[in-house]
Amino acid sequence: EAQVTQNPRYLITVTGKKLTVTCSQNMNHEYMSWYRQDPGLGLRQIYYSMNVEVTDKGDVPEGYKVSRKEKRNFPLILESPSPNQTSLYFCASSGTSGRAWETQYFGPGTRLLVL
Amino acid sequence: SQQGEEDPQALSIQEGENATMNCSYKTSINNLQWYRQNSGRGLVHLILIRSNEREKHSGRLRVTLDTSKKSSSLLITASRAADTASYFCALLTGYNKLIFGAGTRLAVHP
Repeated sequence: EAQVTQNPRYLITVTGKKLTVTCSQNMNHEYMSWYRQDPGLGLRQIYYSMNVEVTDKGDVPEGYKVSRKEKRNFPLILESPSPNQTSLYFCASSGTSGRAWETQYFGPGTRLLVL
Repeated sequence: SQQGEEDPQALSIQEGENATMNCSYKTSINNLQWYRQNSGRGLVHLILIRSNEREKHSGRLRVTLDTSKKSSSLLITASRAADTASYFCALLTGYNKLIFGAGTRLAVHP
């Protein structure tokens, strides 16, 4: 089944404790991205990647890191989480052209609470 | 802001009625996409309409695009309780980024 998976689905952590949210897709997509969703703000892009070893900042990259060492995986790293990073996070992938204009396939989301 | 702005923010209708949601934007676009999100879950793609297209259909969904007015609408005909969800428009302004609006919350009552 074609899908985007994220782990963990739910996470409660404390300020400053490094964490990684994994994202994996099995559709051979080149383009992958991370979004955060906050009430009343819609989805805001954190980082995106057009292919292996090619990443770039989205609209809200502060406090986040990403890597793209393999085509299928695009982990999101919070080196020192803070309470303002409490949010619902989505990973998405699309296309074989490395472009965002194609249909985005979303993961199920990771709900993060930073205390 | 480049963000799409959906209108209304919330919509409540009865089963069988039509639901119309609008999206306005301020910049030029390559395409505009509509997504649905069931409570707290991942978004699901509904329709993509390119900047040179005016109307597209998919089942009970109809999307229009008016680039002169910088606006799009999503019409759901003969709505069902299962259509209850949030609906987002997303703008492709360059070729690398989709910009999402804040969404319209649709409630369809049996």
